[in-house]
Parts: sequence; C-alpha cells; structure tokens
Amino acid sequence: GESVGLHLPTLSVQEGDNSIINCAYSNSASDYFIWYKQESGKGPQFIIDIRSNMDKRQGQRVTVLLNKTVKHLSLQIAATQPGDSAVYFCAENNHNQGGKLIFGQGTELSVKP
Amino acid sequence: DAMVIQNPRYQVTQFGKPVTLSCSQTLNHNVMYWYQQKSSQAPKLLFHYYDKDFNNEADTPDNFQSRRPNTSFCFLDIRSPGLGDAAMYLCATSRDRRSRIQETQYFGPGTRLLVL
Repeated sequence: GESVGLHLPTLSVQEGDNSIINCAYSNSASDYFIWYKQESGKGPQFIIDIRSNMDKRQGQRVTVLLNKTVKHLSLQIAATQPGDSAVYFCAENNHNQGGKLIFGQGTELSVKP
Repeated sequence: DAMVIQNPRYQVTQFGKPVTLSCSQTLNHNVMYWYQQKSSQAPKLLFHYYDKDFNNEADTPDNFQSRRPNTSFCFLDIRSPGLGDAAMYLCATSRDRRSRIQETQYFGPGTRLLVL
C-alpha cells in the first residue's frame, strides 16, 4: 500500500480570525511564486501568484508577501472561514531551470468554528 | 468552464497489472504535466510534455511512461504497478513553459490509485 507520509505543519485558527501561512524558499534565482490550496482528495487549486519584481499582491481575502532578502513567502487569509481548511503549498519557479515548479512541504490549516 | 479533467477519479489495480490514467484539458495549453503525490507530501513531478516534446525527470522510474496523442489528451501508463506506486496522480497544464514569463500550472482533480 501507500507509504506512511510525513506529518505536515499545522496551523489552527478560530473562524473569523486572520491566518498567516509561511514558506521559506530555497533558490535565490526563483522569480515566480504560487500558492495552492489542496482540499482532501482533490487536486491543488491556484490561489494567488506573485513575481519577483513585486513584494505584495492582494486577491479576494488573500494577500501574498514576498521578502527576497530572506527568501520568505507568506499567505495571509483574512476572516478565515471553515471552507478555508485545507493544505496550502507554496511553489517556486525559475525560468532558468525551464520553469519547473518546486513545491514547499505544505501547511495544514484547520479552522475551528 | 475550461478545465483539466482526470479519469477515473479512483482506480484499483493488481500488483503487476498495467494501468493507464487519463487527462484531458479544454484550456488549449501546450504544456501538460504528470505528478505523483503521496500522503502528506508535496506533488512530485514525473514528466511533462511541451507540445509533443517529452521531458522525463531524472528520478522517474522506467515503470512510468506517458503518451500525448494530441493537445487535449495525455496518458500516464504504469507498466507494472508495485505497492509503492499507490498514490494520487495529478495532471496539470500551463500555457508556455519555455517563455521567460512563467505561467501558472492548473491542476486536475487527480486519480487515486490503489494497488492490491
């Protein structure tokens, strides 16, 4: 059968609070970053992206912050809802490597009603 | 709606019995990817097609093969599934992987493979 997986980092928040999910990326040459949301049994769903010429980008209830100096990416979710419960993956991309996505390990967000 | 479709959603096969997973897309994207994802892990790229150009990842076992008969369809063939191949298999597409402007990858819902 399937091998035992790793334990993902978990973030537990109260419904209505803001959530911040962090990601450290490895390659200083990476110039495109994506956040995906993956619900149980489903494929990753695109949330928001940011290019390296920006340090902040906002979507609906979500904000991505990029700090290239320390190679850090964060996803902020405002007014977190039970439907936000999922695993969140950051991914980095470097066009010098043919655009291959490198995924972070993922963070499991649990929203308590 | 334009989308990435994977069939079947669940596939049960026997140890050593060849199995094929399928992916289709209505996005008209020229790049298609196959990923393997095991429990609590990030997706792992197996290979991708840029148009008809096949690109294998160095650590993808020979047991995994792929076919892309046209722009819309891509297949993952597992020639002799082992117990360790049980996983979620994800198909993704993007518009132009060799452009200096990176494009988002859009994922399908995945096929969960169980090997008995």
